[in-house]
Amino acid sequence: DAKTTQPPSMDCAEGRAANLPCNHSTISGNEYVYWYRQIHSQGPQYIIHGLKNNETNEMASLIITEDRKSSTLILPHATLRDTAVYYCIVREGTSSQAGTALIFGKGTTLSVSS
Amino acid sequence: EPEVTQTPSHQVTQMGQEVILRCVPISNHLYFYWYRQILGQKVEFLVSFYNNEISEKSEIFDDQFSVERPDGSNFTLKIRSTKLEDSAMYFCASSESRPFSYEQYFGPGTRLTVT
Repeated sequence: DAKTTQPPSMDCAEGRAANLPCNHSTISGNEYVYWYRQIHSQGPQYIIHGLKNNETNEMASLIITEDRKSSTLILPHATLRDTAVYYCIVREGTSSQAGTALIFGKGTTLSVSS
Repeated sequence: EPEVTQTPSHQVTQMGQEVILRCVPISNHLYFYWYRQILGQKVEFLVSFYNNEISEKSEIFDDQFSVERPDGSNFTLKIRSTKLEDSAMYFCASSESRPFSYEQYFGPGTRLTVT
């Protein structure tokens, strides 16, 4: 089973920041937090990942709490095209875990409206 | 930007028939995966493949399933005798093996309908 807890759904107005929370209270020291999203039955799309520092890329920012028990994915200016299911996944990042499965939970359905 | 491709986009087959789903992973990737998603349900891991052998498989991946990398570019999933409950979207994914960066890149999927 997934090691994360996410709200089942969230709404966001177009142009506003979407803040998607994720709880991972049992995360261990060598586990990374990954975020993926799935737009309407398309293949899941990698967004961002991090270990303990905050991360930012062209798609989103990832804020991880100091105790690493929770994180927030931030889409700074949500658009209608960001409507999707967002998955928070934790997994090890060591070389021994290369090639291992991603375990998807139910994720958060983000609905962006105009 | 390189991407994973899958063919066909939609496959309809009769129960008991064999199907082969095809994938072309990103060219410099070394790990390959199959996942499935039954309509309205979670994405489920089936199998991962590295260095021409299965590295991990789930309990879903039973004897009716097999994977193969028949040449340097294709990666296939064969379902030997399809059942109604095999109807699902099947996603192929690939990833690099550089340390501490194991993001998987997914294809658009093949919708399998078993009648």
